[in-house]
Amino acid sequence: EIVLTQSPATLSLSPGERATLSCRASQSVNTYLAWYQHKPGQAPRLLIYDASTRATGIPARFSGSGSGTDFTLTISSLEPEDFAVYYCQQRSNWYSFGQGTKLEIK
Amino acid sequence: QVQLVQSGAEVQKPGSSVRISCKASGGSFSARHTFSWVRKAPGQGLEWMGRVVPIFHSSEYTQKFQGRLTITADDSTSTVYLELSSLRSDDTAVYYCTKGSPYFADWGQGTLVTVSS
Repeated sequence: EIVLTQSPATLSLSPGERATLSCRASQSVNTYLAWYQHKPGQAPRLLIYDASTRATGIPARFSGSGSGTDFTLTISSLEPEDFAVYYCQQRSNWYSFGQGTKLEIK
Repeated sequence: QVQLVQSGAEVQKPGSSVRISCKASGGSFSARHTFSWVRKAPGQGLEWMGRVVPIFHSSEYTQKFQGRLTITADDSTSTVYLELSSLRSDDTAVYYCTKGSPYFADWGQGTLVTVSS
């Protein structure tokens, strides 16, 4: 089983700031990694897949990078609607999610 | 774009079973699509449970749920089902059906399952 570890658990920032979220895999997943945004009462939303490809309709301020075991989701300039929980997900060996990073307003 | 509409909230007693449905509309249900179930328990992250490929009538489950999880699909009604047995309090969660493989682009609205005596 591939374990994904996300850091930090909570990130406190203000609108307009840059957010950097990390995801580390227990073994290489190549670039088979996605990022999701999850808000309370809503379904998760696919943001990035294959480590760096934005899903349909996702704003350009969201970007992903990394390969192997270390991945990063960057939000270049936070909008009020970006405060949520973010999960990474691997598909290299079945599927698994990280435990999430909560992005909260400072 | 496919829409996934799930059945309503459930309250079940420990040891019982629950069955949740997810009806797909739009797109081709019988095409080579994969439907998965993902759950979100309170204070926990997202957890992938298993999947079904309707055209092949084949289901696969993560080891954690082997033996008490069944995922099926009914082509005639474009509906996917999750049945979880031997419910425990830690099965209390919101259960989501999703479409897509290997990533989950389309999601149902979620079904809250509460396990309580």
